[in-house]
Amino acid sequence: AQSVTQPDIHITVSEGASLELRCNYSYGATPYLFWYVQSPGQGLQLLLKYFSGDTLVQGIKGFEAEFKRSQSSFNLRKPSVHWSDAAEYFCAVGPLRGGSYIPTFGRGTSLIVHP
Amino acid sequence: ETGVTQTPRHLVMGMTNKKSLKCEQHLGHNAMYWYKQSAKKPLELMFVYSLEERVENNSVPSRFSPECPNSSHLFLHLHTLQPEDSALYLCASSQELAGGLNEQFFGPGTRLTVL
Repeated sequence: AQSVTQPDIHITVSEGASLELRCNYSYGATPYLFWYVQSPGQGLQLLLKYFSGDTLVQGIKGFEAEFKRSQSSFNLRKPSVHWSDAAEYFCAVGPLRGGSYIPTFGRGTSLIVHP
Repeated sequence: ETGVTQTPRHLVMGMTNKKSLKCEQHLGHNAMYWYKQSAKKPLELMFVYSLEERVENNSVPSRFSPECPNSSHLFLHLHTLQPEDSALYLCASSQELAGGLNEQFFGPGTRLTVL
């Protein structure tokens, strides 16, 4: 069965600093990979996704992620964090199963931004 | 209305009450999902409907009863809940592709408190 690990429960960065959130997955083939963000009291919003092709994908709000097959990782990055980026971030793996899209989510990483 | 909407946004109910959560998607998608999000726990997939047929039921207690009358609407009927059922209930939709996957669009959630 597929699994997703986000090893960092909390990450604290200063505004303007760079950010990297880690995501590792376990799956027998190349999965479909997603990063979502959840602001307090809100649902999840897609930041970016990887299906195939270029392993460096660009998303909304200045985020990017790189798929590294050898490391089974799909880490999320942002060169300069803004205070409004404080939120919960979820990595998700979405293999095809039974013809339906049944994703597996990581436990999430809470991003705290200091002024 | 655009995207995925959920009503009510907040719900407080006693253990003997019966209530329903409603989700509506305005995106023309053909799959809808219910998730439970509890504090300090991973996102839990509860039910999946694809083309109005239930395709996933993740061992959810029978006190939760889903209903999908058409591709735009999804309900979660609640009865005789327990305090541990207090959580944020998220609805999502996606457009399933033949042999492929697509990202999910989430509603803002219903914050449920069971007294």
